[in-house]
Amino acid sequence: NAGVMQNPRHLVRRRGQEARLRCSPMKGHSHVYWYRQLPEEGLKFMVYLQKENIIDESGMPKERFSAEFPKEGPSILRIQQVVRGDSAAYFCASSPPGQNYGYTFGSGTRLTVV
Amino acid sequence: GESVGLHLPTLSVQEGDNSIINCAYSNSASDYFIWYKQESGKGPQFIIDIRSNMDKRQGQRVTVLLNKTVKHLSLQIAATQPGDSAVYFCAENVRMDTGRRALTFGSGTRLQVQP
Repeated sequence: NAGVMQNPRHLVRRRGQEARLRCSPMKGHSHVYWYRQLPEEGLKFMVYLQKENIIDESGMPKERFSAEFPKEGPSILRIQQVVRGDSAAYFCASSPPGQNYGYTFGSGTRLTVV
Repeated sequence: GESVGLHLPTLSVQEGDNSIINCAYSNSASDYFIWYKQESGKGPQFIIDIRSNMDKRQGQRVTVLLNKTVKHLSLQIAATQPGDSAVYFCAENVRMDTGRRALTFGSGTRLQVQP
């Protein structure tokens, strides 16, 4: 079991570019969660998805951010026209169907906007 | 709004001593709590959990205590080792009005183990 896989591990983008962060949940897991972590801070919830459905996006900024979890392939967190304030670590977690108590986290993608 | 918070941002202990990391929560509807360990450059790693119908749970070298009266959670690490150095987060899981569950993290405590 490879666990939750995130890529890339590190991503550098210039202001105004797009960032795409990918997350493959653990085998058998159908719930995906995205969290953002600023340096020296806790993890802040962004969005919760199931296959082909966004269940809760209450933590997503209204503009420039979007997420999807297609029927096939990884979940994608997309940030358009990145700004320096988007620099953070983005973590993905997954849980099995019918159970969203404990999550398994990936190693994160560290986005740096220059 | 309701939130999870920690008392001590940094805790420094000697190798071999016991460590206690504290956490205060304010959402009385929370019924499930988790402690995570995050090492530098890595994602949060599950350590131990506890449901609200319990007040103590033990794992290997770790114990979680829950005091619902004062909404306080603690993580005790016995015989702290250098490999325990990390940031520790408490997280609460609560069922929301929508029926789904949400996991909310506290701000974290950095544990530094001195050799």
